[in-house]
Amino acid sequence: GAVVSQHPSWVICKSGTSVKIECRSLDFQATTMFWYRQFPKQSLMLMATSNEGSKATYEQGVEKDKFLINHASLTLSTLTVTSAHPEDSSFYICSARDVKRPTGSGANVLTFGAGSRLTVL
Amino acid sequence: GQQVMQIPQYQHVQEGEDFTTYCNSSTTLSNIQWYKQRPGGHPVFLIQLVKSGEVKKQKRLTFQFGEAKKNSSLHITATQTTDVGTYFCAEGAGNMLTFGGGTRLMVKP
Repeated sequence: GAVVSQHPSWVICKSGTSVKIECRSLDFQATTMFWYRQFPKQSLMLMATSNEGSKATYEQGVEKDKFLINHASLTLSTLTVTSAHPEDSSFYICSARDVKRPTGSGANVLTFGAGSRLTVL
Repeated sequence: GQQVMQIPQYQHVQEGEDFTTYCNSSTTLSNIQWYKQRPGGHPVFLIQLVKSGEVKKQKRLTFQFGEAKKNSSLHITATQTTDVGTYFCAEGAGNMLTFGGGTRLMVKP
């Protein structure tokens, strides 16, 4: 089945630094990837939709200058948290959909990466 | 996106008891998906329901989609400690998913 690799799985950084998280689709191509944020004991909140070869689409309330998204190829999207602050500490999860999955037999089904737990000191 | 409400937020059960989580929407859902997230893990796709009144089973798990396509449920028969985790419903419209708040299941051995 589809596999999404996310790296790093956890990172601790100092306040004010930037952190890059990578999301790769290993055995399929993904023109679109999704970045979610999950605070402890809460649901997944969509941050942005990453589009290969074009600008990402950000959800309301998500600062595009703070959460930089790059989708340079069909198998890689990156999320960079710039000038991180303690309130940015969270679990960041990427997901992707196999564009070749037939419609109706699981269309819109997402495969999630393992997540990246960010702690900003 | 659509608001998908999920209840209960938490559920403690004794091992062997049944468990049910419900998802409700004020508007018609195009489909409903269910995911399980183990503690410290990431969401894993369980199933997708598309048709009105659809019922699907996976071993001890039974998934239902309401006739009006505005609600769905996940029922686990005779819970086991391996069922521990948070169960999320999600509605997939277009190219994205909107998640319910999740139900955190805790099973006492």
